[in-house]
Amino acid sequence: NAGVTQTPKFQVLKTGQSMTLQCAQDMNHEYMSWYRQDPGMGLRLIHYSVGAGITDQGEVPNGYNVSRSTTEDFPLRLLSAAPSQTSVYFCASRPPRQAGANVLTFGAGSRLTVL
Amino acid sequence: EDKVVQSPLSLVVHEGDTVTLNCSYEVTNFRSLLWYKQEKKAPTFLFMLTSSGIEKKSGRLSSILDKKELFSILNITATQTGDSAVYLCAVQGGSEKLVFGKGTKLTVNP
Repeated sequence: NAGVTQTPKFQVLKTGQSMTLQCAQDMNHEYMSWYRQDPGMGLRLIHYSVGAGITDQGEVPNGYNVSRSTTEDFPLRLLSAAPSQTSVYFCASRPPRQAGANVLTFGAGSRLTVL
Repeated sequence: EDKVVQSPLSLVVHEGDTVTLNCSYEVTNFRSLLWYKQEKKAPTFLFMLTSSGIEKKSGRLSSILDKKELFSILNITATQTGDSAVYLCAVQGGSEKLVFGKGTKLTVNP
């Protein structure tokens, strides 16, 4: 089991460029989510998905798109990067709520800098 | 809107001290409260609390939930430099989302 795998670990973009942060999990988790972490701000939820074909917005969705075509993958797209999107991004997943566990498993994080 | 407030935001202690970290919350249809520890990487899970008054314990760390007063505390006794980290509190309500607080940065000096 690889757990939650995020790529890339580091990325530098110029303002206006687009990119996709990849997230994959091999634990058959239905729930997947993306957070961003900025100094002193904790973890803020960007988007989440409760299963293939279903996505929803979190606290800070603007500027980000997601899709969930398979259970395993949940990519995060920045269509036109802005300096305000400079942050560390974490992907996290967990089993279905009815499995009795709400514990998120986190990926290692992706550090994004937008110049 | 679900809300989690942690205090203090920052704390500096000496090795051997005991610390108490606080987490208060507002959430619709509370389901669980979770504590995570974050060093210079991804958060790692510490405790999940769902019932009031039942202490969860792991070594020198313990946590308890008060669902009536809507808060939880995380205690660390006999602190060590390896306890230096950001401690995150998160709650899950009726939706699937897990909402985090801003965290408490703990620094333990030798």
